[in-house]
Amino acid sequence: GNSVTQMEGPVTLSEEAFLTINCTYTATGYPSLFWYVQYPGEGLQLLLKATKADDKGSNKGFEATYRKETTSFHLEKGSVQVSDSAVYFCALDSNFGNEKLTFGTGTRLTIIP
Amino acid sequence: NAGVTQTPKFRVLKTGQSMTLLCAQDMNHEYMYWYRQDPGMGLRLIHYSVGEGTTAKGEVPDGYNVSRLKKQNFLLGLESAAPSQTSVYFCASSYSGMTGSRGTQYFGPGTRLLVL
Repeated sequence: GNSVTQMEGPVTLSEEAFLTINCTYTATGYPSLFWYVQYPGEGLQLLLKATKADDKGSNKGFEATYRKETTSFHLEKGSVQVSDSAVYFCALDSNFGNEKLTFGTGTRLTIIP
Repeated sequence: NAGVTQTPKFRVLKTGQSMTLLCAQDMNHEYMYWYRQDPGMGLRLIHYSVGEGTTAKGEVPDGYNVSRLKKQNFLLGLESAAPSQTSVYFCASSYSGMTGSRGTQYFGPGTRLLVL
């Protein structure tokens, strides 16, 4: 079955540091890949996505590239801010039309001033 | 647009009690989902619905029932609550069959449930 593996947290960085959160996946077919973010006390919201190999998703300074050869979708940001403190979830869909997502366990990110 | 709303925000139950969590969306989405979020487990799908009057089991359906009598509402029921059902419950909704929005789910703010 499908699965998503994320780097374990928590991750603590200083403001303006470079961020990488690793995500690898196992899936049949050609899934789309997603990063969702959960700010404190809120539900998840879509951060970015990529629908095919070599696509790059980007939003709010975050980027992730769909690498089929390494089955990875690592999240990166060049200079993090305190407001980026949140839990980040990598996810994939089943590509079978029922729109179900498989989520990773989440990575808690804390940015200190 | 209120988006996805959940009722209640927080609830304490005793073992064996029952309750219903309500999810409502005003985006005319076809698909709706119930997840539970537990530390170190990420989000796990409980049940989902691909349209009014239809429901299906997800990854962890035992101990829960759902109903989708109206397109905009998706109810999650616990018939006899157990401490293992202590969790944060999230409802989500999405469009269907549209490539551009594929996989984009809209989440509610969550319901925190404590079963004693």
